[in-house]
Amino acid sequence: GENVEQHPSTLSVQEGDSAVIKCTYSDSASNYFPWYKQELGKRPQLIIDIRSNVGEKKDQRIAVTLNKTAKHFSLHITETQPEDSAVYFCAASRSNTGKLIFGQGTTLQVKP
Amino acid sequence: KAGVTQTPRYLIKTRGQQVTLSCSPISGHRSVSWYQQTPGQGLQFLFEYFSETQRNKGNFPGRFSGRQFSNSRSEMNVSTLELGDSALYLCASSLEGADTGELFFGEGSRLTVL
Repeated sequence: GENVEQHPSTLSVQEGDSAVIKCTYSDSASNYFPWYKQELGKRPQLIIDIRSNVGEKKDQRIAVTLNKTAKHFSLHITETQPEDSAVYFCAASRSNTGKLIFGQGTTLQVKP
Repeated sequence: KAGVTQTPRYLIKTRGQQVTLSCSPISGHRSVSWYQQTPGQGLQFLFEYFSETQRNKGNFPGRFSGRQFSNSRSEMNVSTLELGDSALYLCASSLEGADTGELFFGEGSRLTVL
């Protein structure tokens, strides 16, 4: 069945450093890949997404890359700040299914 | 505009009981999906409803069911509760479905089964 593997499960960086979270998906028909951020005690919120016809997308300090051949996609956060500390979830979906498969989550800690 | 509203926010049940959770999506959103969140398993897809039809279902037993009404509001039901059903149940709405754009999550219903 569909599966999304996410690594690492925890990540600790110094403020100002970069952070990279990687995901692998199993369903080759997946064509939509969002990333959600969940702060402690709050609901998940979309931070960036990418579709399968695009290889990379940037939004200020965050970027996502997609390698369809390898079925990998990654989140890159540059110049990390303490407010970036949260759990990040990658996800994958295919058209007209209404189904989003999430990775297990990565707890990012940014140390001041 | 108002966000996704879930009720109740917290509830405690005992094994064998059943529970019904409610979700009111953002106005105009036709898709409502449900997720179970636990510390060890992350966010697991339960089911998705679009225009009152269940479009997809995750790998959960038949004790988990749901429905969507004509006003897009949705309910999920868990019968014969087990200890392992203790979790945060998140509802999310979107215009046309999870594959078309952003999911807007509610604050969740935290279920504790004793």
